[in-house]
Amino acid sequence: AQKITQTQPGMFVQEKEAVTLDCTYDTSDPSYGLFWYKQPSSGEMIFLIYQGSYDQQNATEGRYSLNFQKARKSANLVISASQLGDSAMYFCAMREVIYNQGGKLIFGQGTELSVKP
Amino acid sequence: DTGVSQDPRHKITKRGQNVTFRCDPISEHNRLYWYRQTLGQGPEFLTYFQNEAQLEKSRLLSDRFSAERPKGSFSTLEIQRTEQGDSAMYLCASSPGTPSNQPQHFGDGTRLSIL
Repeated sequence: AQKITQTQPGMFVQEKEAVTLDCTYDTSDPSYGLFWYKQPSSGEMIFLIYQGSYDQQNATEGRYSLNFQKARKSANLVISASQLGDSAMYFCAMREVIYNQGGKLIFGQGTELSVKP
Repeated sequence: DTGVSQDPRHKITKRGQNVTFRCDPISEHNRLYWYRQTLGQGPEFLTYFQNEAQLEKSRLLSDRFSAERPKGSFSTLEIQRTEQGDSAMYLCASSPGTPSNQPQHFGDGTRLSIL
């Protein structure tokens, strides 16, 4: 069963505007972490932001923030003031802490973001 | 602090040949992961090491695949008798053992093309 779902294969946003990338997840592990990574066309995976299942506040890192709605099992990434360099694939990933001691990440299929000048 | 290093960046080989990839993790990280990413998909877990011990293998890792991390530092991933379906990007990542909120840091990947 797919555990991470990213329903937007592609998104467009105007430069300097905000954009939300959707991510829903499924787990029965009471303790888990959610990660967002950026993958430019060059291929490297760049860590952006982390949200723990027990964190009371939504995570923020610079222009990135995570809209975490635990009851709905969603962890949407919000990018504010989009820049041309934000054009890339974005992946949501989950790590189950108790059921998966090894810490492997389960990734969604990604959303390709294009920022228009 | 150097990041995760993978070699080679690209590998083109004929079907049936053996290939080997290398990953050098961040030096203080004791966990090392291999993932495979096909075009248009997210990475899929292959295997994981804690120090030199291989503790988990995915069912994706057929018997043609073998991974080692002999001294708990660098790791190699070997594919024997390559097939067309092995064409993919192979990503290596490393992380500290704990705490669980530590992200995995990825290398640039090795892109494998099977002719």
